[in-house]
Amino acid sequence: QSVLTQPPSASGTPGQRVTISCSGSSSNIGSNYVYWYQQLPGTAPKLLIYRNNQRPSGVPDRFSGSKSGTSASLAISGLRSEDEADYYCAAWDDSLRGVFGGGTKLTVL
Amino acid sequence: EVQLVESGGGLVQPGRSLRLSCAASGFTFDDYAMHWVRQAPGKGLEWVSGISWNSGSIGYADSVKGRFTISRDNAKNSLYLQMNSLRAEDTALYYCVKRGFITGLDYWGQGTLVTVSS
Repeated sequence: QSVLTQPPSASGTPGQRVTISCSGSSSNIGSNYVYWYQQLPGTAPKLLIYRNNQRPSGVPDRFSGSKSGTSASLAISGLRSEDEADYYCAAWDDSLRGVFGGGTKLTVL
Repeated sequence: EVQLVESGGGLVQPGRSLRLSCAASGFTFDDYAMHWVRQAPGKGLEWVSGISWNSGSIGYADSVKGRFTISRDNAKNSLYLQMNSLRAEDTALYYCVKRGFITGLDYWGQGTLVTVSS
C-alpha cells in the first residue's frame, strides 16, 4: 500500500492530453514539494518534474505539473508513443522520509 | 556526466546479510545527500534510506529500520547499504540515487538486484 495514491492506469491516443493524479495528506504533499518520475520499460526512473511544476533541462514542455492542497497532477499534452511508460509521484514527508505513489501505467493507444 | 554504479547484489538466504555499494562520479559527491530506493519485481518504487552530505542526518523506511544501515565514504565517493536479517520481501532492484539541492532525487543508477530466497 503506497503512501501516495495514483490511478493504476491511464491511456490516450497520439496528440491527446492526459492527466495523472496523485493524492496524499497534509504531512507529505500538503506541506512539501511534489516530484514526478518517468520509468520507461527496463530502465531506471528519470526525473520529470521537481518542486511541483519545474522541468529539468531536456524535459519537453509537453510535460507539466501542478499541486493544490494535498493533491497533485501531471499533465502530458501532445501525447506521443514514446511517452508510454510508468509514472510515479513522490514527496518528502514531515519526517524527511521519501514517499512514492504506486505508479500509473500510461498506454498510448 | 553524473554516474552512479551499484554493486553487491545477488542471491542470499533469508536471515543472512548483504552489503550494497554505489560508486559515484561526475559531481562533487560530498556536497549532496544520497538515497537508496528499491523496486520489487513488477512493483512500484519504495524509498529505503537517505543520508546527508556529512552523514549527520540519516533516515530509514519503517520496513527496514533496525535491519539496514546506510553509510558513505566521501573520500571514496561511495555510498553503502548494509542489509542484515534479510527477508523475502526485501527482494528488489536497489537504486542508488543522488538528491539535488532543489531537484529532489535527480540522478539514478541502474540498480543492483537483491534476491532473498532459500
